[in-house]
Amino acid sequence: EAGVTQFPSHSVIEKGQTVTLRCDPISGHDNLYWYRRVMGKEIKFLLHFVKESKQDESGMPNNRFLAERTGGTYSTLKVQPAELEDSGVYFCASTSAGEVETQYFGPGTRLLVL
Amino acid sequence: GNSVTQMEGPVTLSEEAFLTINCTYTATGYPSLFWYVQYPGEGLQLLLKATKADDKGSNKGFEATYRKETTSFHLEKGSVQVSDSAVYFCALSDLWTGANNLFFGTGTRLTVIP
Repeated sequence: EAGVTQFPSHSVIEKGQTVTLRCDPISGHDNLYWYRRVMGKEIKFLLHFVKESKQDESGMPNNRFLAERTGGTYSTLKVQPAELEDSGVYFCASTSAGEVETQYFGPGTRLLVL
Repeated sequence: GNSVTQMEGPVTLSEEAFLTINCTYTATGYPSLFWYVQYPGEGLQLLLKATKADDKGSNKGFEATYRKETTSFHLEKGSVQVSDSAVYFCALSDLWTGANNLFFGTGTRLTVIP
């Protein structure tokens, strides 16, 4: 069974540009989460999808961040326009409906905004 | 609110040394506690978990006991190996509050030298 995958693994962009991160959860997992780790600090929750619906987006830092999960499969996280403080590692995780406490993480996307 | 405080790193140990990484938490409800590990170049992996007070989670020689009286979940291993070199994250989820996202500590980098 394939794990959670994320694309790209790394992205270097300039301030003001747009970047779109993608996450493919484990097949059949209804719950999908986005997290971010900035500059060696703690990993912080961004938002949670149940299928295609946003269950909780309380962690989204501002309106420059837009997450979507059309069709309830993969998800994208767009940052537009990117700022220097957006640099960090963005993790995606998924869980099945029957095992919500065990989150399976992807390898992360390392974003550097110059 | 919910938060996790874990021992600052980095930690460097010789092979076969005893490991302790301290973790304490605050939570509004009845949290479940987790240790995640991130090996170089990989995503976060669940190492062990405990869902109620006095439970002991264990895996790969690592152990942690859920101590409600001290609000702690310290990670221990009796004899570390070079292959244990990784970043370790303590985390909690608090389903009682209706949110099943994870709250993480800052991570502790462990390096084991031969």
